[in-house]
Amino acid sequence: AQKVTQAQTEISVVEKEDVTLDCVYETRDTTYYLFWYKQPPSGELVFLIRRNSFDEQNEISGRYSWNFQKSTSSFNFTITASQVVDSAVYFCALRAGGTSYGKLTFGQGTILTVHP
Amino acid sequence: DADVTQTPRNRITKTGKRIMLECSQTKGHDRMYWYRQDPGLGLRLIYYSFDVKDINKGEISDGYSVSRQAQAKFSLSLESAIPNQTALYFCATDLPGHTQYFGPGTRLTVL
Repeated sequence: AQKVTQAQTEISVVEKEDVTLDCVYETRDTTYYLFWYKQPPSGELVFLIRRNSFDEQNEISGRYSWNFQKSTSSFNFTITASQVVDSAVYFCALRAGGTSYGKLTFGQGTILTVHP
Repeated sequence: DADVTQTPRNRITKTGKRIMLECSQTKGHDRMYWYRQDPGLGLRLIYYSFDVKDINKGEISDGYSVSRQAQAKFSLSLESAIPNQTALYFCATDLPGHTQYFGPGTRLTVL
C-alpha cells in the first residue's frame, strides 16, 4: 500500500523568508512517481512538479526547489524568498508504477500562509 | 494541459436528492478519475475509468455511481445525497508521463 505523510499541517512565515515543506512517502514499488500540487485560495489544483523514482536529481525552478532522497523516502519542497502569492495548500502525492491503476495517493496537505 | 471542465462549479442540495456532477476533457485521454477533498484529508479516489467500458471503484465509492458516456465525458452521481458528502469534488485525467491534470472542482453542499 502507498502512503504519503505531510507532517506539517500549517506553516506561517513572513514574506522573504525561506520555507521548506516536508513530504515522506511509503511504497514497495521500485518504480513510482512523486508530485507536488498547489491549491491556492481559489480552489483549483495546480501541478508543480513530477519526479521519477529513478531520477534523484534535485530540481530548481525559479524560487522553487525540490530535494528528492530515496534513502529517507522524502521529497521536500523549498520556497526561497517567499511571497504572499505563495499562500496556498500544498499537496505531495505518490503514484506507484507497479499498481494496477493510476491512483494518486495524496498527503493531507500543508497550509502555507505568507504574511506581508 | 488537458482542458478538463466540470459542471456545476457550485451546488447546494438537500438531503435525499439525486444529483449529477459532470466532467469533460477535450484531449482524448483514456483515463479519467473522480476524487473528493475534505479538509485535513487530502484527496481520496472515488471512481476511475480507463476507457468507456472499464469503470472501477476507488477507496470511497459507497454512495456514489459513475457513468462514462463517451471517452470525453465522465459523470459522478450521488443517488441520495447526505450531509457528509459535502466536499470539494475533482475530476482528473492522465497526461502523458503519468501526471494527472485536474479540473477546476465542484463545491457541493448537502443540507
